[in-house]
Amino acid sequence: AQKITQTQPGMFVQEKEAVTLDCTYDTSDQSYGLFWYKQPSSGEMIFLIYQGSYDEQNATEGRYSLNFQKARKSANLVISASQLGDSAMYFCAMIDTNAGKSTFGDGTTLTVKP
Amino acid sequence: DAGVIQSPRHEVTEMGQEVTLRCKPISGHNSLFWYRQTMMRGLELLIYFNNNVPIDDSGMPEDRFSAKMPNASFSTLKIQPSEPRDSAVYFCASSFGLLQEQYFGPGTRLTVT
Repeated sequence: AQKITQTQPGMFVQEKEAVTLDCTYDTSDQSYGLFWYKQPSSGEMIFLIYQGSYDEQNATEGRYSLNFQKARKSANLVISASQLGDSAMYFCAMIDTNAGKSTFGDGTTLTVKP
Repeated sequence: DAGVIQSPRHEVTEMGQEVTLRCKPISGHNSLFWYRQTMMRGLELLIYFNNNVPIDDSGMPEDRFSAKMPNASFSTLKIQPSEPRDSAVYFCASSFGLLQEQYFGPGTRLTVT
C-alpha cells in the first residue's frame, strides 16, 4: 500500500526567503508519479509540480522545484523567493502507475511573514 | 478553456435526503476522480474512472455512496440516504491519463443537518 508522510504540520518563512516542505513516500512500485498541490484559504486545489519516478532530473516550475531523492524516497518541495501569496496548505501526493490510484499526505500549512 | 466544473458549490440538506453532486471534467481529459476532504480524515480518494469506466471504488465509504460517468463530459456522485458525517468538501478532478497531473474543480461543500 502507498503512504505519503508530511512531517511538518506548519512552517513559517520570511518573505523573499526559500523554504523546503518535506515529503516522504512509501511504495513497492518501481513506476510512480509524485505531485505537489497548493490549497489556499479559498479552498481550491492548485497543481504545482510533477515528478515521474524515472525522471532523472528534478522537476522545476518557476519558483517551485522538487528535490527528488529516489533512494531515500523523498520528494521535497522547494519554494524560492517566498511571497505572501504563497501562504497556503501544501499537499504532497503520489500516484500508482499500475492502477492509477492516488494518495495524498496530510498537508503542511505554510505561512509567509512580511 | 474552462476548468473542472462542479455543481452545486454549496449544498445543505437534512439527514436522510438524497444528494447528487455533479462534475464536468476538462474537455479531452479521460480520467476523473472524486475526493472527499474533511478536517479529521484529510483528502480521501473515493473513486476514479478511466475512459468512463470505474477503475477503483475501494474508497467509497459505504453503499450509500454511488458514482456514475455516463459519458466523457459528465459524472455524478450520489449519497442516499445522507448522514451528518457525510458533511465535507467533495472535489472532482480530471486528468489526461491516469498518471498525469490532476486538475481539481472548486469543490462542493456539503452540509448534512
